[in-house]
Amino acid sequence: SQQGEEDPQALSIQEGENATMNCSYKTSINNLQWYRQNSGRGLVHLILIRSNEREKHSGRLRVTLDTSKKSSSLLITASRAADTASYFCATDPQGGSEKLVFGKGTKLTVNP
Amino acid sequence: ETGVTQSPTHLIKTRGQQVTLRCSSQSGHNTVSWYQQALGQGPQFIFQYYREEENGRGNFPPRFSGLQFPNYSSELNVNALELDDSALYLCASSLVGGTYGYTFGSGTRLTVV
Repeated sequence: SQQGEEDPQALSIQEGENATMNCSYKTSINNLQWYRQNSGRGLVHLILIRSNEREKHSGRLRVTLDTSKKSSSLLITASRAADTASYFCATDPQGGSEKLVFGKGTKLTVNP
Repeated sequence: ETGVTQSPTHLIKTRGQQVTLRCSSQSGHNTVSWYQQALGQGPQFIFQYYREEENGRGNFPPRFSGLQFPNYSSELNVNALELDDSALYLCASSLVGGTYGYTFGSGTRLTVV
């Protein structure tokens, strides 16, 4: 089952601009994680935010979490062509047997 | 520190055959999870192994089975392959609970013809 729903499905911006991707989910979670995937290969872990946290930063990345709205956002500032990839949010749901539930992803294209 | 290694990288099988995919976990990690990613979709959880036992399973039929070895490496076996099994299979290692995130391998691209 896919719990997360990323928005938008695709995003095209110019180098230097900021990129914002949103994620909504359905059930209570322990944490929410963001991953990047280049050209259908392996996923790279970007950042993890726990259910009791509201905002987290890592370099040019900023993640927010609103558990009351069951939503999260990923902001990439000052984007670079190398940021071109698909970005997935993944939730670690409380209870249940699934360990990490992914959305369908946002395909980001950063034009030089 | 080594990452997660998967083999083979690509594989073509015929419908009805059986396949075994392999994964070596990151040094220090004791848990291995497997995911199936169809084209254009997000990864879907197949199962997780911890201490050589299944520690959670997604909505996949019993013909998907796995093993974890004492060195924490793992195998994914799929019997009676179907065309819809064509996908990228991803292995991820973590500490138990995955509360610090997962390290993914580059995946095995399986094509069933």
